[in-house]
Formats: sequence, structure tokens, C-alpha cells
Amino acid sequence: AQSVTQLGSHVSVSEGALVLLRCNYSSSVPPYLFWYVQYPNQGLQLLLKYTSAATLVKGINGFEAEFKKSETSFHLTKPSAHMSDAAEYFCAVRKSTGTASKLTFGTGTRLQVTL
Amino acid sequence: GAVVSQHPSWVICKSGTSVKIECRSLDFQATTMFWYRQFPKQSLMLMATSNEGSKATYEQGVEKDKFLINHASLTLSTLTVTSAHPEDSSFYICSASNLAGDAYEQYFGPGTRLTVT
Repeated sequence: AQSVTQLGSHVSVSEGALVLLRCNYSSSVPPYLFWYVQYPNQGLQLLLKYTSAATLVKGINGFEAEFKKSETSFHLTKPSAHMSDAAEYFCAVRKSTGTASKLTFGTGTRLQVTL
Repeated sequence: GAVVSQHPSWVICKSGTSVKIECRSLDFQATTMFWYRQFPKQSLMLMATSNEGSKATYEQGVEKDKFLINHASLTLSTLTVTSAHPEDSSFYICSASNLAGDAYEQYFGPGTRLTVT
């Protein structure tokens, strides 16, 4: 079985500050890992994904994440926060084996960006 | 590419009535579609997985007679909430996956907010 844990349901940063959203995973097989962003009353937009290629993954809007097997982590970072980054962020995991297998989501982290 | 739409975007219905939500993949063939439910300020909970032309696979605790899923074509899946009650009020999100393309990724629809009065 797969699971993800997102530490911190709320994170607040100042505009221009570093964004760090934490995600730890548990998986019985090599995982595929994803970060999604959700704006109010909208669906999910994929920020980036790890699918066993490079461990440092760059995504949209300046976000990146690093897969660290030894730490079972896939933390999301952005060097400089922007007001438009305020949203809910979800980490998700799925098995790397099989096709179109289901995603398991973390509980989400709400990012607040202040002036 | 890889756009998924949902209709309606929001719906209000009376208790006891049924509501149908459509999920369409607009520019690709979706061999698998997923239906999620999201309560306010919570994560997405997978309700069921549907493959075109076959019966949906429901997650534990999801009533298949309550939430009817039909995946009749490679571009359309529908979720019908039967005899809706206020506790069914939620945000319903679908996603679609294309085995011929990027098999790793699910493309999400914009969601449908259901309010049962």
C-alpha cells in the first residue's frame, strides 16, 4: 500500500521568501510521486512529477522537488514566493508498476503568502 | 492538450432527487477515469475507477447503488448520485488517464459542486 504524509496543514511565508512544503511517502514498490495545486473551487493542476528519472524535478511556476529515497521524502520548494502561489497543495503517490493505477493523496497544505 | 471538462460546474438539487455529473476528455481517449470526492478543506478521496466498457471498481465504503458510474465511451464518464441527501453535498472531481500517452498521469477536471437541500 502507498501513503503520503504532508507535514503542516498550513504554511505561511512572506512574498519573496522560500517556500518549503513537506511530503513523506510510504510505498512497498518504487513510487511515482506528484505535486498538485488547487485554487478555490477548481480542480487539480499538476505542478510536477517524479517517475524514476532525475531525482530533482522541475515543474511549472518555478517549483521544484527532490526525490530522496533515503529519507522517503519529496519536498516541494520555490526560491521566492509570489502572491499568486497562495493555494492548496497536494502531494500524491502511486505505484510505478501497472498502468493507470490509482493515486493516493496527502491531506494537503494550504500556502498563505503575505506582503 | 489533455483537457478534461465536467458538467455542470455546480448544481443544487432537492433531497431525494438524482443528479448526473458528466466528465469528458476533450482531446484524448481516456481508457480509465477516476471519480473523487472532496469535502471542504479536506483531501481528495477516491470513490471509484472506471474503465471504458466495463463496470466501475468502487473503493471500500462507497455505495455502488448510490453512486452510479457509467463509462460508455472513451471520452465520457458519468456519475449519478441517486436519491441525493444533504450529506452527499460535496465537491466531485473526475480525472482521466490515457494508456496510449503518458500512462503516469491523471488529468483532472475542474470539479462539480453539489449542494443538496
